[in-house]
Amino acid sequence: SQQGEEDPQALSIQEGENATMNCSYKTSINNLQWYRQNSGRGLVHLILIRSNEREKHSGRLRVTLDTSKKSSSLLITASRAADTASYFCATDGRAAGNKLTFGGGTRVLVKP
Amino acid sequence: DTEVTQTPKHLVMGMTNKKSLKCEQHMGHRAMYWYKQKAKKPPELMFVYSYEKLSINESVPSRFSPECPNSSLLNLHLHALQPEDSALYLCASSQDSRIGTEAFFGQGTRLTVV
Repeated sequence: SQQGEEDPQALSIQEGENATMNCSYKTSINNLQWYRQNSGRGLVHLILIRSNEREKHSGRLRVTLDTSKKSSSLLITASRAADTASYFCATDGRAAGNKLTFGGGTRVLVKP
Repeated sequence: DTEVTQTPKHLVMGMTNKKSLKCEQHMGHRAMYWYKQKAKKPPELMFVYSYEKLSINESVPSRFSPECPNSSLLNLHLHALQPEDSALYLCASSQDSRIGTEAFFGQGTRLTVV
């Protein structure tokens, strides 16, 4: 079953702008990961944040986690056309049987 | 080598056919996964193999039959599929099946059942 819900479902921005997407989940988690998927292809791991962490950076990516609100955000700064993709959050934790469960995804279009 | 290789990339099969999807990784990962993904939806877990043993079957219909011949290979045998089984089938691997490990995905097999 789907654990995370992502918001917005779709996002269209100009190159150079920042893109922010949010993920909310229902049950307690151990870790939250973000993945990118280019059109109809495999998923690529972007970043993992543990439940005891609040913020993590990787290049132009910034992820926050608020376990009290059961939510996470992914910020892509200075977006590029190549960032056009679908972005999924994925959670794991005992309540989900320790399985990786994906949210609905945000489709991001970066216009040149 | 950080790749998960899936073959074929595309497959069209009839409802009476038998076909197999193949997945291979040479990263020494001991957990391998099959996911099914419909258009504009997230991947849904089907099976997990841990140390070559089936550890999770997400109540998948028996017309899908997984097999793990060795630690590098994962197959998905297909028989008597329905048109609604048309989807992108993704294979993934991770160091092991413990939580908090990064999953590496293949490019998927786009399956069409006619």
